[in-house]
Amino acid sequence: AQTVTQSQPEMSVQEAETVTLSCTYDTSESDYYLFWYKQPPSRQMILVIRQEAYKQQNATENRFSVNFQKAAKSFSLKISDSQLGDAAMYFCAYATSGSRLTFGEGTQLTVNP
Amino acid sequence: EAGVAQSPRYKIIEKRQSVAFWCNPISGHATLYWYQQILGQGPKLLIQFQNNGVVDDSQLPKDRFSAERLKGVDSTLKIQPAKLEDSAVYLCASRPFWFRDHRRRANTEAFFGQGTRLTVV
Repeated sequence: AQTVTQSQPEMSVQEAETVTLSCTYDTSESDYYLFWYKQPPSRQMILVIRQEAYKQQNATENRFSVNFQKAAKSFSLKISDSQLGDAAMYFCAYATSGSRLTFGEGTQLTVNP
Repeated sequence: EAGVAQSPRYKIIEKRQSVAFWCNPISGHATLYWYQQILGQGPKLLIQFQNNGVVDDSQLPKDRFSAERLKGVDSTLKIQPAKLEDSAVYLCASRPFWFRDHRRRANTEAFFGQGTRLTVV
């Protein structure tokens, strides 16, 4: 069974600084995708970034980037120039063909002004 | 493109009562998920549909929860009877068909509705 582990229940960062959220996963599949979702207090799940396992290049979306280490099954999210609006719960998620979309337990990010 | 629609947004019921949630996925999305998210935890999959067939309902408490997806479009999730521990946010999500050839894939992420916040008292 696929599992996703986020070992940091809470993280904090100063505004304009950089923070990295960790995620590891376990799978025997070769074709899969990894995602980071953001969930503000409204509970709406918002996609932050996606990574295709067949691509070696790390995905980047503006201030958000990932460090995808396929052999180590590690998928961390780096947020640069943190903003107050980045404060939320962040979930790492894994998906493959025909299977469930599996989430980690989340990391609560606080951004301090 | 319209997003995933869920209703109601909020529901308060007494224990042992029944409740139903409704989800309208994004048009053309083959896969539909229902998740239960207890405060402070990650979403837990209750059931996954592919078109109108059930792919995974291994974590659905079948003695009290039921779900259907009529004609492979809208879906309803029902709880009967509700317990206090069912208090949670119920999230519906949909995803496009997953092509084996990754060059044919467009969006692969799941799109979520705003959720239904259920309080059982």
